[in-house]
Amino acid sequence: KNEVEQSPQNLTAQEGEFITINCSYSVGISALHWLQQHPGGGIVSLFMLSSGKKKHGRLIATINIQEKHSSLHITASHPRDSAVYICAVVWGAQKLVFGQGTRLTINP
Amino acid sequence: EAQVTQNPRYLITVTGKKLTVTCSQNMNHEYMSWYRQDPGLGLRQIYYSMNVEVTDKGDVPEGYKVSRKEKRNFPLILESPSPNQTSLYFCASSLYQNTGELFFGEGSRLTVL
Repeated sequence: KNEVEQSPQNLTAQEGEFITINCSYSVGISALHWLQQHPGGGIVSLFMLSSGKKKHGRLIATINIQEKHSSLHITASHPRDSAVYICAVVWGAQKLVFGQGTRLTINP
Repeated sequence: EAQVTQNPRYLITVTGKKLTVTCSQNMNHEYMSWYRQDPGLGLRQIYYSMNVEVTDKGDVPEGYKVSRKEKRNFPLILESPSPNQTSLYFCASSLYQNTGELFFGEGSRLTVL
């Protein structure tokens, strides 16, 4: 059983919609990453969180350490946001465990 | 330009023929790591290195070796590749441990026949 659960696994939306992707984990962590993977495979780091909230452009990431839950929000979604979004949790200082990813498709 | 460079990007090989996938970063990062990505299983950590001459196993180290003789390089060695090592491999680096921004290489798609 994957110790990091993402939902939904697949999400299709219309351009302009507000998007939320969720990540839950089972034990205490030291940090959490949100990653983006476009078709073709390259992986880009979006956020690294250990508490609270971060914002970058139309992307917002939040984390609730007590509830062991993080969310990635995309405002005013655009077709170029179509990608797989992956959360990864850091256990201790070294171990990185990934969620299965959420495939997001934004239609024009 | 800050980057993590992997080579080769694509490789088809045969069972048992030793191969090395190189990874190099130009950001003076201490932490480097290797991952494999498989359909239905997602990304899994193979090995990581906290600094020169300091390496440790991740979740799926069987069949792989690594070395960290220089800070910038972290090669992944498959001594005797098998078909179950057919996968997409990523190298990543971070300034300190896993709690800084991660920089990924472009990936290396390996097929073992």
